[in-house]
Amino acid sequence: DAKTTQPTSMDCAEGRAANLPCNHSTISGNEYVYWYRQIHSQGPQYIIHGLKNNETNEMASLIITEDRKSSTLILPHATLRDTAVYYCIVRVGVTGGGNKLTFGTGTQLKVEL
Amino acid sequence: SQTIHQWPATLVQPVGSPLSLECTVEGTSNPNLYWYRQAAGRGLQLLFYSVGIGQISSEVPQNLSASRPQDRQFILSSKKLLLSDSGFYLCAWSPLWGTEAFFGQGTRLTVV
Repeated sequence: DAKTTQPTSMDCAEGRAANLPCNHSTISGNEYVYWYRQIHSQGPQYIIHGLKNNETNEMASLIITEDRKSSTLILPHATLRDTAVYYCIVRVGVTGGGNKLTFGTGTQLKVEL
Repeated sequence: SQTIHQWPATLVQPVGSPLSLECTVEGTSNPNLYWYRQAAGRGLQLLFYSVGIGQISSEVPQNLSASRPQDRQFILSSKKLLLSDSGFYLCAWSPLWGTEAFFGQGTRLTVV
């Protein structure tokens, strides 16, 4: 499995962009980068995923470097409700398809006024 | 639409007692199913995953077991709980050939 490295914690002012980095230097060519977030005492929520192109949806943007060894999740206008633990993970396939998701410790993002 | 149900939300059990947590998924078929545990202040640890009825893969040796008696039902069990089994247990599903996983709301288990 490709392992990921994230900062333990980050702070962001409300209304500003939150840029969450992730290193995955051992990622394989067919592995995707996924981002999830977990608000306290809830189950994780899917945010976005990508292979090598940058991706954007209604929640966030994902920027993947050309060598795919790192990525950045961007929350363009962070709000207090974005305070959560953000997990960067790499997809590993299992027999029968689908994906086995192994989570690291993530980044605790704190959005403040 | 697909939904995932996990219960109970909270559970307090004495050491040595049995455990049964149930998870069901609606609105899909042949899902991949997962059980995760999160100890206080820690990350998510994958315990078991299943790609089909009766097919269970264990990620870590432990005091727990899992079963999948039906396509959309995943059960986490223990014959005798330990104090170290306390934690936040999460069930999740993903489409068979899909991408993202969807999580239940979790069960907070306290073993006393």
